[in-house]
Amino acid sequence: EVQLLESGAGLVRPGGSLRLSCAASGFPFSSSVMTWVRQGPDKGLQWISTINPSGGNTFYADSVKGRFTISRDNSNNTLYLQMNSLRAEDTAIYYCARIVKGPFDFWGQGTLVAVSS
Amino acid sequence: DVQMTQSPSTLSASIGDRVTIACRASESVFNWLAWYQQKPGKAPKLLIYRASELEHGVPSRFSGSGSGTEFTLTISSLQPDDFATYYCQQYNTYSPYSFGQGTKVEIK
Repeated sequence: EVQLLESGAGLVRPGGSLRLSCAASGFPFSSSVMTWVRQGPDKGLQWISTINPSGGNTFYADSVKGRFTISRDNSNNTLYLQMNSLRAEDTAIYYCARIVKGPFDFWGQGTLVAVSS
Repeated sequence: DVQMTQSPSTLSASIGDRVTIACRASESVFNWLAWYQQKPGKAPKLLIYRASELEHGVPSRFSGSGSGTEFTLTISSLQPDDFATYYCQQYNTYSPYSFGQGTKVEIK
């Protein structure tokens, strides 16, 4: 059974940092493209970042470029999102998802990040 | 970047109704278009990919059509489990991924 379990939720002050993790199981993680998507309070879905299977290629939305870093540990089947210089507008539920042939075919349950003073 | 626009934003319908949601891309995304269903407090679920391909396990009352810039999601006979918010997404290779703003399907 495919499982994606996010962790790292928290309340952080503006300018602070947080690292999210996504533990994967039930599929060949090391050969899967992975991505992060967020959803602000009562808002739609926003793609944040994508990483290729080796971790050698990463892609970011303009809104987080230079502040967020996606990475992965294929030996531990874990995806990460390091978030620095956090802003109030980064407040959202953050989902990790698997990409298979383009669409995001499986999503984790999400983890909540709140940025507030 | 490709902008995705869905219509309507909210749709009120009854059980058994045929429901159609439209999605328009600001430039051609060929058929690299997916549809997702999201229920309150839950993660999105993939319904349709490549504009018209039904994801495994998704009921056949869901269907997708279109190509280029105009797409539709149709629910042939609305069921109680279908009341949710639906999002289109383009995944054209050389553009950042982008989602529509969502269409909430409510009980009439």
